[in-house]
Amino acid sequence: EVQLVDSGGGLVQLGGSLRLSCAASGFTFEDYAMHWVRQAPGKGLEWVSGISWNSHSIGYADSVKGRFIISRDNAKNSLYLQMNSLRTEDTALYYCAKGGELLLHAMDVWGQGTTVTVSS
Amino acid sequence: QSALTQPASVSGSPGQSITISCTGTSGDVGNYDLVSWYQQHPGKAPKLIIYEVSERPSGISDHFSGSKSGNTASLTISGLQAEDEGDYYCCSYAGASIWVFGGGTKVTVL
Repeated sequence: EVQLVDSGGGLVQLGGSLRLSCAASGFTFEDYAMHWVRQAPGKGLEWVSGISWNSHSIGYADSVKGRFIISRDNAKNSLYLQMNSLRTEDTALYYCAKGGELLLHAMDVWGQGTTVTVSS
Repeated sequence: QSALTQPASVSGSPGQSITISCTGTSGDVGNYDLVSWYQQHPGKAPKLIIYEVSERPSGISDHFSGSKSGNTASLTISGLQAEDEGDYYCCSYAGASIWVFGGGTKVTVL
């Protein structure tokens, strides 16, 4: 069974940092692009960042560019999101999602999400 | 990177068909046949129901269908059922490893 388990969320102070992790299983992780998508309380989905299978192609939403860093460790079947200079507007449920073999393929499997709360 | 435009809500009676529009620009929806649609029920993770404009993943009912014309993509739900209630989001590739979502549409079955 294809599964993604998100973790690392929590309460952090304004301007602080947090590192999210996503553990993948049930598929050949190194063959697929991966994404982070967030959802603020009561709001819609916002794509945050995506990374190709070999980490050679990476994209960020304008809202997080320069503050967040996406990375992956194919040996550990894991995806990460380093979140720096956190703002109150970064408060959200963060999902990792499996993409396709290319970064331009849709997100077909989603984790359960991990909650990030930025306190002022 | 502007969000794609969706109607806030759409409703229909059981058995009816409804269509949700998703309007982008020539830089995203209009430039790539890479529009996907996601269904989300309260408290649940999103679920992919349409990819590459009109393709359905394995296991997704054929009463969901997708299309695109110019800068606007559409999701049609035929034979509306109670379990179709929820939020629906479109998403488009926008080039340069960037994706953009729509604001979401709440579907209500009357």
